[in-house]
Amino acid sequence: GAVVSQHPSWVICKSGTSVKIECRSLDFQATTMFWYRQFPKQSLMLMATSNEGSKATYEQGVEKDKFLINHASLTLSTLTVTSAHPEDSSFYICSARARGGTGNSPLHFGNGTRLTVT
Amino acid sequence: ELKVEQNPLFLSMQEGKNYTIYCNYSTTSDRLYWYRQDPGKSLESLFVLLSNGAVKQEGRLMASLDTKARLSTLHITAAVHDLSATYFCAVEATQGGSEKLVFGKGTKLTVNP
Repeated sequence: GAVVSQHPSWVICKSGTSVKIECRSLDFQATTMFWYRQFPKQSLMLMATSNEGSKATYEQGVEKDKFLINHASLTLSTLTVTSAHPEDSSFYICSARARGGTGNSPLHFGNGTRLTVT
Repeated sequence: ELKVEQNPLFLSMQEGKNYTIYCNYSTTSDRLYWYRQDPGKSLESLFVLLSNGAVKQEGRLMASLDTKARLSTLHITAAVHDLSATYFCAVEATQGGSEKLVFGKGTKLTVNP
């Protein structure tokens, strides 16, 4: 089945540094990838929609200059948390749908990245 | 704005019992998903419901969709401890020209021996 690989699984960084998270679709091409954030014991909140070859679409309240998204190819999207602060500590999850897929096919989720900013 | 409401948010039940989790959503959508999340893990896809009256079953879980009522249910039959997890419903809608998946708050299910 379709696999989405997310890396790293967990990362600890110091306040003020930047962290890059990668999301790869391993066996399918993904025109669109989605980035979610989940705080402890809460639901998933969509941060942005990443479109291959174009700018990402950010949800209201998400700072695009802080959360940089790059979707350079049909199999890779990256999320960079710039100048991270402790309040950015969260579980970040990406998802992707196969190119040409519609609502008939489910979104495939990565395993998530747990970010801890000290 | 699409809103998705799930209830209950917490559910503690005994093994062998039946229960239903409800998912209401606010705008028209014909695509509804159910996911399972174990602690510290990502999401596992359980069901994709695409049309009014759709019913899908996998093991002790059965999901249904009523698009007219904007309601989906996840029914648990004869619960076992392994079903303990958080269950999310998610509804897909087109907003601003792009498809978005909006999640409910989740139902944390604990099945007790």
